[in-house]
Amino acid sequence: AQSVTQLDSQVPVFEEAPVELRCNYSSSVSVYLFWYVQYPNQGLQLLLKYLSGSTLVKGINGFEAEFNKSQTSFHLRKPSVHISDTAEYFCAVRASDTGRRALTFGSGTRLQVQP
Amino acid sequence: EPEVTQTPSHQVTQMGQEVILRCVPISNHLYFYWYRQILGQKVEFLVSFYNNEISEKSEIFDDQFSVERPDGSNFTLKIRSTKLEDSAMYFCASRDRGPQGQPQHFGDGTRLSIL
Repeated sequence: AQSVTQLDSQVPVFEEAPVELRCNYSSSVSVYLFWYVQYPNQGLQLLLKYLSGSTLVKGINGFEAEFNKSQTSFHLRKPSVHISDTAEYFCAVRASDTGRRALTFGSGTRLQVQP
Repeated sequence: EPEVTQTPSHQVTQMGQEVILRCVPISNHLYFYWYRQILGQKVEFLVSFYNNEISEKSEIFDDQFSVERPDGSNFTLKIRSTKLEDSAMYFCASRDRGPQGQPQHFGDGTRLSIL
């Protein structure tokens, strides 16, 4: 079984400042890792994913994340945020074997970008 | 870009009634999922569906729940004899075939309110 921990429930940040949203996971098997964003009254939109290869992955809207296997982390970063980045961000994992394909989500981090 | 669509966006139902939540997955996708998010809690996996049968379900998905793909486009979640604790946002997702790691695409959700 997998579990995901997002330690920060809310992250306030000023516009144009950098931000890092933390995600740690636990799993007994290899996993794929995902970040989803949820804007108000909308569904979950894929930001980026890590499957294999380079540990630094780039996603949409200028976001990137780095997979760190030794620390079982997959933190999301953006060098300069915009007001429009205000949303809820969810880290999720899925076992990479042929078994369970369901996503396990973290509890989410609300990013609040202030002018 | 193709989208997963869910109807209705908000459903209000009396406790004990049956409710059907509807989803139209992306047309060439083969794997379908339901998740739910109780207010203030994590997004939780309910069930996955492939090749006209349930491929995986969580402990939440008990006899009260059922899924169906009644035609080539719709994917439904039925909740019989609804309870107050069924109030949540329900998300449908679909995934394409192909290499493992294909991401799941989510709809905007149906907010279910049980009175």
